[in-house]
Amino acid sequence: RKEVEQDPGPFNVPEGATVAFNCTYSNSASQSFFWYRQDCRKEPKLLMSVYSSGNEDGRFTAQLNRASQYISLLIRDSKLSDSATYLCVVNEKGQGGADGLTFGKGTHLIIQP
Amino acid sequence: GAGVSQSPRYKVAKRGQDVALRCDPISGHVSLFWYQQALGQGPEFLTYFQNEAQLDKSGLPSDRFFAERPEGSVSTLKIQRTQQEDSAVYLCASQRPGEPMEQYFGPGTRLTVT
Repeated sequence: RKEVEQDPGPFNVPEGATVAFNCTYSNSASQSFFWYRQDCRKEPKLLMSVYSSGNEDGRFTAQLNRASQYISLLIRDSKLSDSATYLCVVNEKGQGGADGLTFGKGTHLIIQP
Repeated sequence: GAGVSQSPRYKVAKRGQDVALRCDPISGHVSLFWYQQALGQGPEFLTYFQNEAQLDKSGLPSDRFFAERPEGSVSTLKIQRTQQEDSAVYLCASQRPGEPMEQYFGPGTRLTVT
C-alpha cells in the first residue's frame, strides 16, 4: 500500500496554461509536506514546502488540506522549463527515521510550445 | 564541496557480485539518508544516519544491504550478492542541522545488475 498517491500523468499542457496536481497521503499523523521537482536522470530538488495556510512562490502555489489528507500544486503561466516530474513528499516522523521522507511516484509534466 | 557527491555514477555488476556505493555529504551536514529509486518510481527510504549513528535502517530491503558512516561524514552503502531486483538509482541526501525542511540530494549511482 503506497502511502503517498499521485496521478503519474503525463500531463501535456500548452505553454502559458495553468496546471494543477493533487496528491493524497494515508498517514494522518504526517507533519511536514513538500513538493520536489526531478528532471530526467537528475536528483530530486526541493521546489517548495507546503504549509497549512497555503503558500505561494512566484508562479507556484501549494495548498494542504489536512482534513482530506491531500496536497495540491498549482503552476500558473507554465514555461517550457517547467517540464519535469513533480514529487509529492511527506515527512512521517517515526517512519523512515526522524526525518526520512516518503515520496509519491511523481507526476510527469510536459509543457508544449 | 558545493553539494552532495556520489561515486561511482554508474555501476554494472554481474548477479552475485558485491558492490559499494559512496556518498560525500555537504560539509557540516549531520543527517545523511540513503534512498533507492526504481525506474518510474519515487525514491524509497533505505536508512538514516545522524553523525556516525545509524538511527533507522528499517527501509533496507534485505540483510544483503549494509550501510555505514564510521566517522560521521562519508557514507558507504554496500550490497552483497547483488540480484537483478537491486537494479535502481541509489540516492544519498544530507540535511543541515536545525533545518529539517530540506534534504539535499546527490546525483545518485545508477546500478545495473546483469
